[in-house]
Amino acid sequence: DVHLLQSGGGLVQPGGSLKLSCEASGFTFSKYGMSWVRQAPGKGLEWVAGISDSGGGTYYADSVKGRFTISRDNSKNTLSLQMKGLGVGDTAIYFCAKDGVGPYPSYLDHWGLGALVTVSS
Amino acid sequence: DIQMTQSPSSLSASVGDRVTIPCRASQAISDLLAWYQQKPGKPPKLLIFSASTLQSGVPSRFSASGVGTDFTLTISSLQPEDVGTYYCQKYFTVPLTFGGGTKVEIK
Repeated sequence: DVHLLQSGGGLVQPGGSLKLSCEASGFTFSKYGMSWVRQAPGKGLEWVAGISDSGGGTYYADSVKGRFTISRDNSKNTLSLQMKGLGVGDTAIYFCAKDGVGPYPSYLDHWGLGALVTVSS
Repeated sequence: DIQMTQSPSSLSASVGDRVTIPCRASQAISDLLAWYQQKPGKPPKLLIFSASTLQSGVPSRFSASGVGTDFTLTISSLQPEDVGTYYCQKYFTVPLTFGGGTKVEIK
């Protein structure tokens, strides 16, 4: 079974940084693109960033470009999202998700449980 | 960027009713559309990809159709466990835009 185990959420002050991680198991991680999707409290889904299977291609929503960095370590089956310059508008549950088929970008067939990021002073 | 529009934002129907949920793309996206179901406090669950292909394990009362700009998700006979919010999403090109969602409730 596919599992995406997320870690790294928490409370951070405006302007601060935080790193999210997503450890994958149950599939050949290096063969699939991955994405981060967020959901602000009571709101809909917003795609944040994506990365190709090899890591050679990275893609960002305009709302986070230049502040967030998506990366992956295929030797450790781990996806990461480094977030800097956080603002209150970045408060959300962040989900990591797996592409349904290669190559990236694709529909998202498995999702982590989410990590809550709260930006507040 | 291509925008995805879902209207209405919520609907209420009785158990056993046929429910249709529309989704419209601002530009043609062929059949590169997925549907997700999200229950409160849970991550989204993939229901449909390629506009009409049922994901493995999804009940057959769910179906979908459409191509180009207009798409529809149908629940043939609404069940209590179908309560939740349904999102469409276009893919293959970034950004992977989601619709605003349609919340389905039991009348």
